[in-house]
Parts: sequence; structure tokens; C-alpha cells
Amino acid sequence: NAGVTQTPKFQVLKTGQSMTLQCAQDMNHNSMYWYRQDPGMGLRLIYYSASEGTTDKGEVPNGYNVSRLNKREFSLRLESAAPSQTSVYFCASSESDRGNEQFFGPGTRLTVL
Amino acid sequence: AQKITQTQPGMFVQEKEAVTLDCTYDTSDQSYGLFWYKQPSSGEMIFLIYQGSYDEQNATEGRYSLNFQKARKSANLVISASQLGDSAMYFCAMRERSLVSGSARQLTFGSGTQLTVLP
Repeated sequence: NAGVTQTPKFQVLKTGQSMTLQCAQDMNHNSMYWYRQDPGMGLRLIYYSASEGTTDKGEVPNGYNVSRLNKREFSLRLESAAPSQTSVYFCASSESDRGNEQFFGPGTRLTVL
Repeated sequence: AQKITQTQPGMFVQEKEAVTLDCTYDTSDQSYGLFWYKQPSSGEMIFLIYQGSYDEQNATEGRYSLNFQKARKSANLVISASQLGDSAMYFCAMRERSLVSGSARQLTFGSGTQLTVLP
């Protein structure tokens, strides 16, 4: 089992460019999450999907959109990147939104110039 | 108000000694969960331990234990017999009902404690 995988690992964008961060899990989990981690801070929830076909906003959703493509995949899109979106992005999954553990991907380090 | 407070930005401990990392939380939910994660310098997030709000006994996982004091709203992580490989950032997190959707439960993280184990 690969667990939670994310692509790409690193990305540099110019202000105004768009991109999609990909996340996939092979644990048959129902719930998936996108977090961002800024330097010296904990993770903050951007969006989550409690189950296939549903998505909800987290603490910091502005500037982002998500798609729960199927049970395995949950993508995060930046339509018009801004320097404030420079961060490390983590995808996570859990059996359900009441699960005792969230499994995290390795992260994507995004820099917006 | 902060939902999760970790008051120790940095901690040092001698190898083989025990160390306690503090975490206090704020919630009005009766049912919630508390988590600790480890983030080494390589960046990945590693789950360590979980405590449910209705669990009467403190959670333990190997060298990790969670000192849960519900009335004080604290969930301190105790690492026994520290090892050099324990040097990392440690995050406390809480799962409670979402204020946005009112149903699904999301994790809120503290700002972390950087632990350094000295040889």
C-alpha cells in the first residue's frame, strides 16, 4: 500500500497562474482533507470531503477549489495563484470524518512568486 | 480564542529522560477527540496517539502516553526514555464538530512544539 500520495512534490508558480494539486489514497477511506502549513505554524484545513460526492469548506478556503473525483482522489485547484498561497500543502485521509487517525501524504511545497 | 494552545515553542531533553509536551484545548462539544502528531525535519506528519473525550483511561502507545485532564482541558504528551530520533516538531490537534457544516468533524492544530533531544 502506498497510503496517501501527492503530486507534485515541489512547484513554483508566478502570480496569476493556475495549477491543480493531486492527491490519491489506496486505503479505501471515505474522508479526505486538504491542509496548508505556513512557516512556524500548525496545519490549517482548507477543504474536506467527508464522503465521496461531498465537499465542505474548512478554515481557510478562499482562493481554492476542490474536486472529489472518486473515492480515491481529491484534488485542490488554485485558479489564480497569489504570493499569500506560498505554503506546504498536505492531503490526508481517514476511514470516516469520525476516524481516530488521519493519514497524511508527504506534502507539496508551493512557492508563488 | 485559540482552540488548541501549545505554550512551549521549543523544548530540550536529555537522551533517555522523559519529557512532557503541553497542550490545552477549548471546546463546547461533549464529544471530541485529541491527537498528537510528530513532524520530523523531513516534513511528513506521523500520527502518534489518540484520546477520545469519553475515554476514562489515558491513552498509551509504546513510549508515548497522553495525560488527559478533562476538567482542566489539557492533553499533554509524555515521551518516556527519549531517543535522538524523537527530535522533531510535535503538534496537538482536536477533532470537534464543524462550525461550518454542523456535522462533519475536522481537525484543528496547535502551533507546535519543537523538541530537541540532546546526546
